[in-house]
Parts: sequence; structure tokens; C-alpha cells
Amino acid sequence: QKEVEQNSGPLSVPEGAIASLNCTYSDRGSQSFFWYRQYSGKSPELIMFIYSNGDKEDGRFTAQLNKASQYVSLLIRDSQPSDSATYLCAVNPGSSNTGKLIFGQGTTLQVKP
Amino acid sequence: SAVISQKPSRDICQRGTSLTIQCQVDSQVTMMFWYRQQPGQSLTLIATANQGSEATYESGFVIDKFPISRPNLTFSTLTVSNMSPEDSSIYLCSVVVGENIQYFGAGTRLSVL
Repeated sequence: QKEVEQNSGPLSVPEGAIASLNCTYSDRGSQSFFWYRQYSGKSPELIMFIYSNGDKEDGRFTAQLNKASQYVSLLIRDSQPSDSATYLCAVNPGSSNTGKLIFGQGTTLQVKP
Repeated sequence: SAVISQKPSRDICQRGTSLTIQCQVDSQVTMMFWYRQQPGQSLTLIATANQGSEATYESGFVIDKFPISRPNLTFSTLTVSNMSPEDSSIYLCSVVVGENIQYFGAGTRLSVL
């Protein structure tokens, strides 16, 4: 079992719709969870981070964390063509503060005008 | 956040040669990492660059192949040694700032012929 799993997609949504991206992780001791956006040919860009169970909202983005289910998701409201990119879920494993991140394989999002 | 300068941005190298990649940060940071992103894949952690001591390598990566230097808290280098076409990847440095937030440099796109 992979440590961090994402559906590779592509996930295709129409412009203005809600895009829902999902991620599961295997290390129950994980404390920090991150969503990065990566445009083709570019480096990853931090979108959201979440540490506590529940929802965290920032503009059109909402991160949701459920530690009991070992599940983290990213919702993008009012999706725009400029949101088309690969979204990487990353987890800081275990309880030690090493700063290391384990990445999922990424979900490709396509927002169609 | 942090401003991370990575050089070179891209290079084409011959089999059997070595390439050294530089990563410069605009502020002192404790944690610095090197990742590899193979074509069409997600990010894989190579090693943690430790200031003043030997780097900590992840499983599957060894010092002879990927020697790392970290002479101070703002600078690190990664060398890809005795290159083969399988080393063709994007190599990224990252730093941790603030609340365990990790930021990435622009990456070095390496092609080995």
C-alpha cells in the first residue's frame, strides 16, 4: 500500500463547478497535510495546509481533514480554466518534526470553459 | 515564505559526467531538502541537507551517487554523479519556513544523453 494515495485522474469539471480532490494516507501518526498545485513545467506551489480535523477555507479553496478515516480532501469552488493543473497531496509522516513530506502521485484537474 | 534560487534551471549532459545543482535561500533556514521528480511522476525525497554534517538519505539514494553539501543555513548543493539516462529528471530543493511549511525552488531540468 502506498503511503499517500490519490486518483491520478484526469478529473474534468466544467467552468464554475466544484472540483473535489481526494487523498488517503497510511501513517496514522501523521500530523500535517498539504496541498500543492503544479502547472506543467513548473515547481509545486503551496495552496493549503491543514493540521486539525475539520474544514479550513481560504478563498475558493477548502481543505478537509478526517484523521479517523485517514482522509484529506481539497474542494475548489467556482473552478476556472486557470485551475487546470496537477494537485499534489503531501503528508508529514509520524509525530517527529523532521519536516519531510511524502507526496501522492497527484491528480490532474482539467477545467473546461 | 522564502525566495529560493536554484541553478542551473536546465542542463543537457553526457552519460558518465556529473552535474552540481546549487540552491540559495534569501534567509537562514534549518531544514532544507532535495527531491527528484521523474517524468510524469510525483516528487520523491532524496535527502535532508544537514548544516555542518552529512546529509540524511532516503531509502534507495546513496551519498556516492548524490553527494550533498550544506556549508551554511542559506546554501546547499546536490551533485548527480556518473549520470545515466535514468537520471533524467527534475531536481528540486525545498526549505521549511514558519509552521512547518515547505517551499520549493524552480527546479533543475536535467536531460542525460
